[in-house]
Amino acid sequence: DAGVIQSPRHEVTEMGQEVTLRCKPISGHDYLFWYRQTMMRGLELLIYFNNNVPIDDSGMPEDRFSAKMPNASFSTLKIQPSEPRDSAVYFCASNPGRPLSTDTQYFGPGTRLTVL
Amino acid sequence: AQSVTQPDIHITVSEGASLELRCNYSYGATPYLFWYVQSPGQGLQLLLKYFSGDTLVQGIKGFEAEFKRSQSSFNLRKPSVHWSDAAEYFCAPDDRDDKIIFGKGTRLHILP
Repeated sequence: DAGVIQSPRHEVTEMGQEVTLRCKPISGHDYLFWYRQTMMRGLELLIYFNNNVPIDDSGMPEDRFSAKMPNASFSTLKIQPSEPRDSAVYFCASNPGRPLSTDTQYFGPGTRLTVL
Repeated sequence: AQSVTQPDIHITVSEGASLELRCNYSYGATPYLFWYVQSPGQGLQLLLKYFSGDTLVQGIKGFEAEFKRSQSSFNLRKPSVHWSDAAEYFCAPDDRDDKIIFGKGTRLHILP
């Protein structure tokens, strides 16, 4: 298995532009998570899905952020419009299913986003 | 509110020396506990996890962690560090309600 796949690995964009980050979870995993990592705030959970349905989006910073999971093998995190403070590394992770705590979260390599 | 604290942002040790990274949590009930490592430019990798039972947990790469209920701590240890251990380490309690909260991380530097 290739593991969790994220694209692009690096993204540089200008303020105001739309940014779309992509994630392909491990096949058969029922849970998908989006995290953001910054030096100031560390690793933060943004949103997670169970069987393609968003369960908790309380970590999404504001309405400029949206996430979708149209099918079991693909998810997107979109920022529109982007701002310099959105610059961070965004991680996607997947998990086989409940009980969550006995399963390991498998993390993708991350997308490093820079908004100029 | 649930929280996790890694009090040391940076730690520097000499190669071959012992290591202890601290983690304290504040939860209503004892959470499940994880340690992850992130090497430069890489994603996160699970080092070890604690659910119940023996309070000393062995992980990969020679790491271990000890759960101390009375201190609400789950410190990570290694008897002898290697230069390849230079990375950032995250403590992550799980509230058993699907979410894992990550500490801010401790960056480990190794002196030759």
